[in-house]
Amino acid sequence: NAGVTQTPKFRVLKTGQSMTLLCAQDMNHEYMYWYRQDPGMGLRLIHYSVGEGTTAKGEVPDGYNVSRLKKQNFLLGLESAAPSQTSVYFCASSYSKGQWGSNQPQHFGDGTRLSIL
Amino acid sequence: GIQVEQSPPDLILQEGANSTLRCNFSDSVNNLQWFHQNPWGQLINLFYIPSGTKQNGRLSATTVATERYSLLYISSSQTTDSGVYFCAVERGNNRLAFGKGNQVVVIP
Repeated sequence: NAGVTQTPKFRVLKTGQSMTLLCAQDMNHEYMYWYRQDPGMGLRLIHYSVGEGTTAKGEVPDGYNVSRLKKQNFLLGLESAAPSQTSVYFCASSYSKGQWGSNQPQHFGDGTRLSIL
Repeated sequence: GIQVEQSPPDLILQEGANSTLRCNFSDSVNNLQWFHQNPWGQLINLFYIPSGTKQNGRLSATTVATERYSLLYISSSQTTDSGVYFCAVERGNNRLAFGKGNQVVVIP
């Protein structure tokens, strides 16, 4: 059971380049999330999804787009990378209340370290 | 939005010592999790504890939801306990708001 898998693990981009981070989960979770972690700070929510075909903005959505075309995958896109987007990105997933009857813990991937020069 | 404050921000422990980490939050919550981020950056689920007390080996956690705080206890600390401990609380749709973490260093 792989859990939550993020690809790639590391990436270096130049300012203005675009890229997509992939998150895949094999636990049949309805909910998926993208967070970023900057030095000395906790994780901050970028975007999230409560089901296939749905997405919503989190705390820090500017400069990012997401898509959830399949239940098991959640993609995070940077259309024009900026140095301020240098960060470690974490994907997470969880069951919904509808699936389990109550809130359930989130499970995290190992992170993607992204540097933008 | 909901505020999550963790204390102390930094803690140095001698191996074998006990410690308590605290998480205060500004509103009622349905979900609270404690995570350990190890030196490799991985986030490890420690506890899912919206209320009550749970124990897992040398670690235990207590959440008093009515008073809006949670405590994480580390007993007989080991060097492998080093890292950052995060408290996170739910903001609806199971979205988590994280505190800034407790940096723990255990020295042999």
